[in-house]
Amino acid sequence: GQQVMQIPQYQHVQEGEDFTTYCNSSTTLSNIQWYKQRPGGHPVFLIQLVKSGEVKKQKRLTFQFGEAKKNSSLHITATQTTDVGTYFCAGQDDMRFGAGTRLTVKP
Amino acid sequence: GAVVSQHPSWVICKSGTSVKIECRSLDFQATTMFWYRQFPKQSLMLMATSNEGSKATYEQGVEKDKFLINHASLTLSTLTVTSAHPEDSSFYICSAQPSGGELFFGEGSRLTVL
Repeated sequence: GQQVMQIPQYQHVQEGEDFTTYCNSSTTLSNIQWYKQRPGGHPVFLIQLVKSGEVKKQKRLTFQFGEAKKNSSLHITATQTTDVGTYFCAGQDDMRFGAGTRLTVKP
Repeated sequence: GAVVSQHPSWVICKSGTSVKIECRSLDFQATTMFWYRQFPKQSLMLMATSNEGSKATYEQGVEKDKFLINHASLTLSTLTVTSAHPEDSSFYICSAQPSGGELFFGEGSRLTVL
């Protein structure tokens, strides 16, 4: 079945620095979803990417879907303490999640 | 957005007992729900896909007799951890897709088996 790999596993940044997490699939994805889980909370949907090469923005967050629809990235510009949490990608084909990237932000 | 409610949030039980966790879709009907297990600081591991009116589809390595799933109505799926042992202690979380798009998650249930 589909395998979704996500790197890095952890990322610690100074507030104001940028942050990027990458998601790679062993197979072509019909679409990919990104979720954020705050410490102690449950995952919350951020966005879904469907088209090859698609780029979507949500304020300081930029999401990209690769041309081959096998990889995706989430980039946060000028991180804030409210960005703390674990970011997961998931292929909608079978709802399996990547390992997640845990982001911590030092004020 | 859609609301998925999960109960209980916390449960502590003795080894050997069974625990039932409920997952309800409050404002939509869910023919399919997903059950995940999450260990501390780790990812969500898909355990099974719950299908209304039929048997659940379990992921490889997940014991169906250990983790009983019942999806008797379009708004309720239950996960029963039978004969629980300390290694079953974990965070169990359900989710549903109202329209085949994004997943809406329940609040999760933290199980501690003594």
